[in-house]
Amino acid sequence: EPEVTQTPSHQVTQMGQEVILRCVPISNHLYFYWYRQILGQKVEFLVSFYNNEISEKSEIFDDQFSVERPDGSNFTLKIRSTKLEDSAMYFCASSRRQGSGEQYFGPGTRLTVT
Amino acid sequence: AQKITQTQPGMFVQEKEAVTLDCTYDTSDPSYGLFWYKQPSSGEMIFLIYQGSYDQQNATEGRYSLNFQKARKSANLVISASQLGDSAMYFCAMREGIGGTSYGKLTFGQGTILTVHP
Repeated sequence: EPEVTQTPSHQVTQMGQEVILRCVPISNHLYFYWYRQILGQKVEFLVSFYNNEISEKSEIFDDQFSVERPDGSNFTLKIRSTKLEDSAMYFCASSRRQGSGEQYFGPGTRLTVT
Repeated sequence: AQKITQTQPGMFVQEKEAVTLDCTYDTSDPSYGLFWYKQPSSGEMIFLIYQGSYDQQNATEGRYSLNFQKARKSANLVISASQLGDSAMYFCAMREGIGGTSYGKLTFGQGTILTVHP
């Protein structure tokens, strides 16, 4: 069964460093998302991406964040200068259709900023 | 205002019994979708079930069913015949604006921790 994959599973970085989180969505999916979950809290939407551009973003997704689909399979989230409060689990998700049906999540990348 | 409310921080159920996890939502959009996800202690988010606002019948997927009461704006998850492996955090989520105005953003509730006792 096809699934969303994410690498790395855990990343530790120092405050101020840049990190790139990688995702490979399900191959015939067209809509891609990043969410984050601070430990013990609910899952929060960051950004959605369709047709090689951002379609929607939340207040959390400020200038420090960017997303890219550098090739036909990868979908990346970059945080330019990490802060302590960026420590969280980051989930990539994808869906085949925009308006209905399932949205499948990857296993997550746990980012720890020290 | 909270768009998705899960009022039960924790629930306990005996193995093989049924359990209902509550979820209420708030939207003025006539088109929306409701989701339930399971998050085990390992952290991944597992899709369980989906209900569209225009679906006439309640969604079912194996042991999971969604008790959709549109007028009350509730979308409770019912797990029948609970198993020890069902112990996890469960999140209710909503997507508004199916089709025209939405690109699929999900809004999540705070979650309910379910513990299944042997």
